[in-house]
Amino acid sequence: GAGVSQSPSNKVTEKGKDVELRCDPISGHTALYWYRQRLGQGLEFLIYFQGNSAPDKSGLPSDRFSAERTGESVSTLTIQRTQQEDSAVYLCASSFSPLRGSTDTQYFGPGTRLTVL
Amino acid sequence: SQQGEEDPQALSIQEGENATMNCSYKTSINNLQWYRQNSGRGLVHLILIRSNEREKHSGRLRVTLDTSKKSSSLLITASRAADTASYFCATDALTGGGADGLTFGKGTHLIIQP
Repeated sequence: GAGVSQSPSNKVTEKGKDVELRCDPISGHTALYWYRQRLGQGLEFLIYFQGNSAPDKSGLPSDRFSAERTGESVSTLTIQRTQQEDSAVYLCASSFSPLRGSTDTQYFGPGTRLTVL
Repeated sequence: SQQGEEDPQALSIQEGENATMNCSYKTSINNLQWYRQNSGRGLVHLILIRSNEREKHSGRLRVTLDTSKKSSSLLITASRAADTASYFCATDALTGGGADGLTFGKGTHLIIQP
């Protein structure tokens, strides 16, 4: 069975441009997570989807960031007017729905390395 | 904010030796998970230990959890060159309801010398 896939694997863009990152979760996983990892750092949680809904968007770093999910499947993370500080690896993970308020094992994609010049 | 703090930040040992990494966290948790990351890309889930468990084994991995000290350790026995990677602990906060994602530490970079 296929794992979590992300595209593109690498993206180089100029400051001020918009970028769209895509995540294809494992089929049947209703929970989907986006994280950001800056160089040499741990992962920073951005947003969680249960089905197509994101209950809390407060983890997104700024209003330039938005995310959506459709068909309880593919998710896109959009960064508008990119800044150099947005340079990072963006990782997507999926899992079965949280049980009894507890996060299940998350399966990560390979990430998208974003470089903003 | 990053709750987990791994210790040490970097560890270099000889192949065949055991590697021990520690993780401390701040809030009450549902579970704690350890992940491995090669070359700064995708993370591989290693093991999940729930708050009511004290020790768990998986192959050459042994994880302990002490909720009174808010700490965990990951032991890799009989290390191999292929174990070279960064290792992260991640906590699932008790109050998160599963929807806050995991909170990761900065990781321990493990190097196994052949």
